[in-house]
Amino acid sequence: QVQFVQSGTEVKKPGASVKVSCKASGYSFTSYAMHWVRQAPGQRLEWMGWINAGNGNPTYSQNFQGRVTITRDTSASTTHMELSSLRSEDTAVYYCARDRGSYRLGIFDYWGQGTLVTVTS
Amino acid sequence: DIQMTQSPSSLSASVGDRVTITCRASQTISSYLNWYQQKPGKAPKLLIYTASSLQSGVPSRFSGSGSGTDFTLTISSLQPEDFAAYYCQQIYSTHYTFGQGTKLEIK
Repeated sequence: QVQFVQSGTEVKKPGASVKVSCKASGYSFTSYAMHWVRQAPGQRLEWMGWINAGNGNPTYSQNFQGRVTITRDTSASTTHMELSSLRSEDTAVYYCARDRGSYRLGIFDYWGQGTLVTVTS
Repeated sequence: DIQMTQSPSSLSASVGDRVTITCRASQTISSYLNWYQQKPGKAPKLLIYTASSLQSGVPSRFSGSGSGTDFTLTISSLQPEDFAAYYCQQIYSTHYTFGQGTKLEIK
């Protein structure tokens, strides 16, 4: 069955970077796009960007342009999301989510369990 | 950005009730609207995509309708496991945005 396992909880200081990983199993990794979505405490979901798992080409939300980097490792069926210049407002649960299509449809049919990132001095 | 506004923000209902949640877009989005369910401490789960298509494995008591700017998610007969938060998401714009959520609570 399709499954995603994300890396564990992170605590970071303001100005630092964090890298969250998402390991996929149960399907052909390069056949589906992958997205990253975050949810700050009590807030709505916020889309961060996506990667074409086939060719590795990422696209980022303008809200995170310059701070976020999404990559994939096909040999490990893993997607990574790195967020830099962290500030307290980046405290959130970060999710990876699979797209129904190989290119972006925007329909997130499977999700990772989420990774809590806390930014505190 | 396309703004998504859900109403109500919270709702109390009883098992067996019929419930409707509304989502309004700040501009027309055709039928490019998805609905997700999220339980506390869990990842969202896809219920409905492109306004009215039921995701595989989702019970038929869930249905979606609408196009343009106004959309609804209906649960025909609430079950105990349906008490959760619900989010709409527009995928018309390449910058996807979500509604603020509707928390469905037990009366």
